[in-house]
Amino acid sequence: DAMVIQNPRYQVTQFGKPVTLSCSQTLNHNVMYWYQQKSSQAPKLLFHYYDKDFNNEADTPDNFQSRRPNTSFCFLDIRSPGLGDAAMYLCATSRDRQGVGPPQHFGDGTRLSIL
Amino acid sequence: GQQVMQIPQYQHVQEGEDFTTYCNSSTTLSNIQWYKQRPGGHPVFLIQLVKSGEVKKQKRLTFQFGEAKKNSSLHITATQTTDVGTYFCAGLPYNTDKLIFGTGTRLQVFP
Repeated sequence: DAMVIQNPRYQVTQFGKPVTLSCSQTLNHNVMYWYQQKSSQAPKLLFHYYDKDFNNEADTPDNFQSRRPNTSFCFLDIRSPGLGDAAMYLCATSRDRQGVGPPQHFGDGTRLSIL
Repeated sequence: GQQVMQIPQYQHVQEGEDFTTYCNSSTTLSNIQWYKQRPGGHPVFLIQLVKSGEVKKQKRLTFQFGEAKKNSSLHITATQTTDVGTYFCAGLPYNTDKLIFGTGTRLQVFP
């Protein structure tokens, strides 16, 4: 089945130690999104790629970076994780820009813990 | 900034009771989407509404988009324990390609 796959499901890292989360999709969707979701809160958009075009949210900390080497893969790099970065990180895809109206398909998420 | 608020924040119901969550946007929306997130899970797309005043039904779920395209509601008839989760609306303002997620309503259903 076509899907959005995130690895790992759970990630533990040390304070200040760089960490990379990965996302792959078999849907061949143009757009990929990274969201941060903290407990009992709505998903918060960090950035998204429309094809290779990177779009950063104004309030996304510089500590967060992203790479999309090809259509199928997208990575979230946290350069120096702080305690406040502990959260669920959700990857999502959509066929096209939201202006066209397609829904977003979410992966299972990676729960990041900071020691 | 653009905001989408949902009420109530939490709702506990007895199985068989009805449930409604309301979604209000600070700006006019081109469309609105609804997602369900089970405890420990990820958001799953339920439906999209595009037209002013649109009403759509999925079995026991009824979705409505307001005439002014600034509010929406989700009504569940005769809740079941499988309805447990957090329901998010997500609005798409005009002239943008980013969904704005609502604050969510967490539904708990007691058997």
